[in-house]
Amino acid sequence: NAGVTQTPKFRILKIGQSMTLQCAQDMNHNYMYWYRQDPGMGLKLIYYSVGAGITDKGEVPNGYNVSRSTTEDFPLRLELAAPSQTSVYFCASSYSQGAITGELFFGEGSRLTVL
Amino acid sequence: QKEVEQNSGPLSVPEGAIASLNCTYSDRGSQSFFWYRQYSGKSPELIMSIYSNGDKEDGRFTAQLNKASQYVSLLIRDSQPSDSATYLCALLYSSASKIIFGSGTRLSIRP
Repeated sequence: NAGVTQTPKFRILKIGQSMTLQCAQDMNHNYMYWYRQDPGMGLKLIYYSVGAGITDKGEVPNGYNVSRSTTEDFPLRLELAAPSQTSVYFCASSYSQGAITGELFFGEGSRLTVL
Repeated sequence: QKEVEQNSGPLSVPEGAIASLNCTYSDRGSQSFFWYRQYSGKSPELIMSIYSNGDKEDGRFTAQLNKASQYVSLLIRDSQPSDSATYLCALLYSSASKIIFGSGTRLSIRP
């Protein structure tokens, strides 16, 4: 099993450009999350999804959009990139057995720089 | 008030000693709490979860939860250089399926 796969691993964007960070998991997990981590800081929740067709905002959703058309995929869209979006982005998934367990399986991260 | 608060450190502990990491939270309804470890340049990994008041032990790690005081801690006994990492406290929000993290505490084990 590949687990949680994120692409690309590194990307440099110019201010105002747009891009999509891809996230796919092969564990049939219902719950998926996008976090960003600025240098020396913790993880901030951007968006999350509890299943296909259902998404919700986290702590820092401005400037981002998500979709969840399948259980496996949870892409994160950055519109009009700004330097403040320079960060490492982590996608994670989790399973539930009646209730969510809280154990997150993380991808390796995508390092984004906006110049 | 931040939802999950941690002392950012760095916390320096001699090898073989006990490292104590602390976390406070604001959501009184939260029932599930987690400690993740993150090595530099790597993804976080779960090391402990705790759901009930009291202590939970797993090898050299002990998680402690006090819901009345809204306080979670992690003790690492017989600290090793390999324990040097950032430790992230997290909770499952009571009113939604979102998992919120603190800012992390950087731990350094000195030989």
